[in-house]
Amino acid sequence: GDSVTQTEGLVTVTEGLPVKLNCTYQTTYLTIAFFWYVQYLNEAPQVLLKSSTDNKRTEHQGFHATLHKSSSSFHLQKSSAQLSDSALYYCALSDRTGNYKYVFGAGTRLKVIA
Amino acid sequence: AQTIHQWPVAEIKAVGSPLSLGCTIKGKSSPNLYWYWQATGGTLQQLFYSITVGQVESVVQLNLSASRPKDDQFILSTEKLLLSHSGFYLCAWSPDWSNQDTQYFGPGTRLLVL
Repeated sequence: GDSVTQTEGLVTVTEGLPVKLNCTYQTTYLTIAFFWYVQYLNEAPQVLLKSSTDNKRTEHQGFHATLHKSSSSFHLQKSSAQLSDSALYYCALSDRTGNYKYVFGAGTRLKVIA
Repeated sequence: AQTIHQWPVAEIKAVGSPLSLGCTIKGKSSPNLYWYWQATGGTLQQLFYSITVGQVESVVQLNLSASRPKDDQFILSTEKLLLSHSGFYLCAWSPDWSNQDTQYFGPGTRLLVL
């Protein structure tokens, strides 16, 4: 079946240092889009980044990600982590061939420390 | 601007009792609607989706059902709750065309089954 893998359950980084959250996928869908959602404590998830174009960098709020279909990856990166970035991050894919299905990864908790 | 409202905010229910959770979208006609379940510390599991009034598709079976009685309303229900139904229920919407599939989540309903 289709799956999204986030290998780290928890990533701890010092404020000001770079951070990378890993996301890989397996899918049989032919046309797909990828998302990073961020969920702050006791809040609903909100979209952070979206991409459907291979090898194109997408940026928002200091975060960036590039879809690499050759390696089935959509890693999230930021050059300088902020305390306010501490949250739960989900990688997800959607099938664009009309079945309206979304698959989310297990999530990675990012903890930024001073 | 679109707004999404979920009710109730939280519920504590007994095993075997019925449940009805609601979701309303304002400011968007004919949205695609989705129900998700998130166990404590867990990922987002898509339960149902609906692309039009009266039509609901199940993605995963959890002894729950869903209905869409109006264009802007999505209901999640069951006649008999199980302990495993505890968690965070999120309603989401996306625009009704295939390449605009970013999902926007509501504030969620926390359910505790005892």
